[in-house]
Amino acid sequence: DADVTQTPRNRITKTGKRIMLECSQTKGHDRMYWYRQDPGLGLRLIYYSFDVKDINKGEISDGYSVSRQAQAKFSLSLESAIPNQTALYFCATSDPYSGTSGRDTTSTDTQYFGPGTRLTVL
Amino acid sequence: RKEVEQDPGPFNVPEGATVAFNCTYSNSASQSFFWYRQDCRKEPKLLMSVYSSGNEDGRFTAQLNRASQYISLLIRDSKLSDSATYLCAVSLFGGSYIPTFGRGTSLIVHP
Repeated sequence: DADVTQTPRNRITKTGKRIMLECSQTKGHDRMYWYRQDPGLGLRLIYYSFDVKDINKGEISDGYSVSRQAQAKFSLSLESAIPNQTALYFCATSDPYSGTSGRDTTSTDTQYFGPGTRLTVL
Repeated sequence: RKEVEQDPGPFNVPEGATVAFNCTYSNSASQSFFWYRQDCRKEPKLLMSVYSSGNEDGRFTAQLNRASQYISLLIRDSKLSDSATYLCAVSLFGGSYIPTFGRGTSLIVHP
């Protein structure tokens, strides 16, 4: 089973509708993230959460809200969807203190991504 | 200047070729560096971390050049299956710092 799951995987909706994208993880990580990816623009951070009581805006939070229901669950909502929110949405988790490597004391803050949700707003 | 920059490509190379990508970063305090691979319409997956001493994993070699503020990824003996987009990610060490991703470099390996 996948460590990070997202539902739905695909969604087509109309302008003005409220949409919720859900993310669950079994990795036991405290940190969770929502990104959107658009062609040519790369991954852009929408919101992130370092634990259940912590929610932070990312680079492009306008038009989005999130809820961290539990350590394992982080949901993204579009209150009133608009066409320019059409994109591929990824949830991710990370554990920044998972160790060091040899002589290198570097963060091993690897991001583990879910499979993505392809959202189309008509 | 963007925090993390990559040449979008595409890099179009024949099987067996050696290809290298660079990723430049603007914050000299950056401490953590990664290369991710993303197949079309799939999620990014960690390819390798980049340590100050470099990192090699089979045909893949990653290097860090702090003086010039860039990381590199070298792929030797390219395979068709290496065709993908390669994203670099850079962050400050630990704490509340979030990795910043580059926009990715597209690699196409042809027969």
